[in-house]
Amino acid sequence: KAGVTQTPRYLIKTRGQQVTLSCSPISGHRSVSWYQQTPGQGLQFLFEYFSETQRNKGNFPGRFSGRQFSNSRSEMNVSTLELGDSALYLCASSLTREKLFFGSGTQLSVL
Amino acid sequence: GNSVTQMEGPVTLSEEAFLTINCTYTATGYPSLFWYVQYPGEGLQLLLKATKADDKGSNKGFEATYRKETTSFHLEKGSVQVSDSAVYFCALSRDSGAGSYQLTFGKGTKLSVIP
Repeated sequence: KAGVTQTPRYLIKTRGQQVTLSCSPISGHRSVSWYQQTPGQGLQFLFEYFSETQRNKGNFPGRFSGRQFSNSRSEMNVSTLELGDSALYLCASSLTREKLFFGSGTQLSVL
Repeated sequence: GNSVTQMEGPVTLSEEAFLTINCTYTATGYPSLFWYVQYPGEGLQLLLKATKADDKGSNKGFEATYRKETTSFHLEKGSVQVSDSAVYFCALSRDSGAGSYQLTFGKGTKLSVIP
């Protein structure tokens, strides 16, 4: 069974640009969550989607948005990039609330 | 709000040494507790979990007991191996309503095991 797939693996952008990251969950998983990982702040929750609906959102500015498609694939978008948005963005899918399966992440560098 | 505090790293141990990584939490209600492990260049993997007080989670020789009286969930392993070198994250899960939940993570503890 394929795991959680995130693309691209690495991304370099400049300030002011926007970026879209993609996540394909494990087949059958309807919940997809996104986390931001930085050396200073650690892992922080961005948002969670279930059946194309955002169920929960963390404390991030409106520049961070996401969506989920009918096949459970999810995308997150960051507009007007700032240097502080440089991070590893992790996607996780789950079938039950007690076990999340994480992808390898997208490493975003903002120059 | 909810928070997780785990011991600062890095931790360097010799192979076959005993490992303890401390983790304490602050939460309302009765959260579930987890340890996740992250190997270099990879995402997080669930190592073990405990869902109620006095539960002991165990996997691959690692153990942690949910202690409500001390709000702790310390990770232990009796004999570490070089392959255990990774970053370990303590986390709690809380119900955010509408069936949703989110994980709150500690900052992570990097473990290096030398032969």
